[in-house]
Amino acid sequence: KAGVTQTPRYLIKTRGQQVTLSCSPISGHRSVSWYQQTPGQGLQFLFEYFSETQRNKGNFPGRFSGRQFSNSRSEMNVSTLELGDSALYLCASSLGLAGEEEQFFGPGTRLTVL
Amino acid sequence: AQKVTQAQTEISVVEKEDVTLDCVYETRDTTYYLFWYKQPPSGELVFLIRRNSFDEQNEISGRYSWNFQKSTSSFNFTITASQVVDSAVYFCALSEARDDKIIFGKGTRLHILP
Repeated sequence: KAGVTQTPRYLIKTRGQQVTLSCSPISGHRSVSWYQQTPGQGLQFLFEYFSETQRNKGNFPGRFSGRQFSNSRSEMNVSTLELGDSALYLCASSLGLAGEEEQFFGPGTRLTVL
Repeated sequence: AQKVTQAQTEISVVEKEDVTLDCVYETRDTTYYLFWYKQPPSGELVFLIRRNSFDEQNEISGRYSWNFQKSTSSFNFTITASQVVDSAVYFCALSEARDDKIIFGKGTRLHILP
């Protein structure tokens, strides 16, 4: 069974640009969650999508957005990039709701903003 | 508001020693879930355990054991006879049933010295 895949694995962007990250969950999983991991703030919840609907969102500005497609694949978009957006972005999938079940994490996308 | 505290930032022990990682949480909800995840040097988070707020039974899985005490709002994790492969960052996490957001602690970096 294939695990959670994330593309691209590495990205370098400059301030002001926008970026789209992609996540393919484990087949059959309906929930996809996104997290930002930085040395200073640790692991922070961005949002969760379940059956194409955003269930909840963490404390991030509106520049961070996402969506989920009918095949459960998800994309995350960050507009007007800032230096502080440099981080490892992790995607996780679960069969049911993320807060109630085991999540399977992808390897992450490392975003560097110059 | 929900909060997870892992007071131990970094721990080093010699192989075969036992080690306990502390996790203290705060929540106003009566229904919630607690998790432990492991992030080895390779980077991908791996699920270790989930516990719901109504199940205070301690759990043992091989060399791993978990002690859940609602009276002290703690969910501690013990590794018995530690091995070098246990070296990783360990995260404790909490989600409340009312909003399903998952809050992670800052993590404890565990070094097992040969």
